[in-house]
Amino acid sequence: AQSVTQLDSHVSVSEGTPVLLRCNYSSSYSPSLFWYVQHPNKGLQLLLKYTSAATLVKGINGFEAEFKKSETSFHLTKPSAHMSDAAEYFCVVSEANYGQNFVFGPGTRLSVLP
Amino acid sequence: EAGVVQSPRYKIIEKKQPVAFWCNPISGHNTLYWYLQNLGQGPELLIRYENEEAVDDSQLPKDRFSAERLKGVDSTLKIQPAELGDSAVYLCASSPTRGGSGELFFGEGSRLTVL
Repeated sequence: AQSVTQLDSHVSVSEGTPVLLRCNYSSSYSPSLFWYVQHPNKGLQLLLKYTSAATLVKGINGFEAEFKKSETSFHLTKPSAHMSDAAEYFCVVSEANYGQNFVFGPGTRLSVLP
Repeated sequence: EAGVVQSPRYKIIEKKQPVAFWCNPISGHNTLYWYLQNLGQGPELLIRYENEEAVDDSQLPKDRFSAERLKGVDSTLKIQPAELGDSAVYLCASSPTRGGSGELFFGEGSRLTVL
């Protein structure tokens, strides 16, 4: 079965410093992996996705993530945080062998301090 | 292109009352999902449709929850009767692909408060 662990429920950084949001997944086969962002009272928006192409994936707003099969990880990074990055971030795994079911992690709340 | 549309955005009801949520997916998206999101948690799948067929409803509490997607376009999720623990955000999403590698497009959600 698929599952996602997000190691930090809350991450706080200062504006202009790097962001690291950690994600580990469990999957029996070749997964697709995603990061979604949710701003308060807004719908979820796709940041980036990995679907068995390049292991380093670039997304919107300067975010990127690296797929590491040996570590079963898909950590999200950004070189320099902006105040507008403050939001909830969800790591998501999906497998074709499980139909088209997307399994969400519990989320990491990112706070950006001035 | 219009995104996924959900209504109502907010609903407050007393326990034991019925409630219904509506979702209109992006045009041409055959796959439609209803997710439940409790406060401080990630979304959890309630039901997935391929066109008008419910292909995964294993997590839908069928004693009080029901859903339909007539004609394979818009969908309705109903709760009857509502309980205090049903207070949450109900998210609708659609996807153009079947293979699991496609993107989910979400509506803004329907926030339910049960008093």
